[in-house]
Amino acid sequence: GDSVTQTEGQVALSEEDFLTIHCNYSASGYPALFWYVQYPGEGPQFLFRASRDKEKGSSRGFEATYDKGTTSFHLRKASVQESDSAVYYCALGDRGSALGRLHFGAGTQLIVIP
Amino acid sequence: GGIITQTPKFLIGQEGQKLTLKCQQNFNHDTMYWYRQDSGKGLRLIYYSITENDLQKGDLSEGYDASREKKSSFSLTVTSAQKNEMAVFLCASSTWGQNTEVFFGKGTRLTVV
Repeated sequence: GDSVTQTEGQVALSEEDFLTIHCNYSASGYPALFWYVQYPGEGPQFLFRASRDKEKGSSRGFEATYDKGTTSFHLRKASVQESDSAVYYCALGDRGSALGRLHFGAGTQLIVIP
Repeated sequence: GGIITQTPKFLIGQEGQKLTLKCQQNFNHDTMYWYRQDSGKGLRLIYYSITENDLQKGDLSEGYDASREKKSSFSLTVTSAQKNEMAVFLCASSTWGQNTEVFFGKGTRLTVV
């Protein structure tokens, strides 16, 4: 079945460092890909999505580019801040009858040290 | 804007007990979901509902029942609580259709003693 793999369970960076969180997916065709962010004590929040090869999604300084060739949707940010500390989830949209349902990766906890 | 309210925020139950989690949304969304969140495993879909009185099983439905009696509310019942079910349960909602933004509540943390 469709699935998403996030290789980093935890990433620790200093403020102003460059961030990359890796996301690879397994699915046929062109599923929609998403990033969600979860702050402590909150539910996950939609960050952005992309639906086509080479499409870039972005929000709040974060961005990711849909790459069908490498089946990837890596999250990047040029300069992280302490307020970016959170758990980041990559997700894949289900293309079957279950419209709107998402397949989530295991999540990556980002810790930004001031 | 809208909000998803989950009650209770914390639920402590005994092994073998039947436990009910509640969720209300005021987005007027058609579709609602229950996800289970375990550390290191991401979010896994338990049940979802595309309209009032509709129920669809997700990947993790065994051991759970759900109920969607009104458009705005969606309940989840743990039929017999087990010690390995300590987790956070997240309710969510979205409009009808593929690739829509899904909105989440803050979760109910379940502890089984």
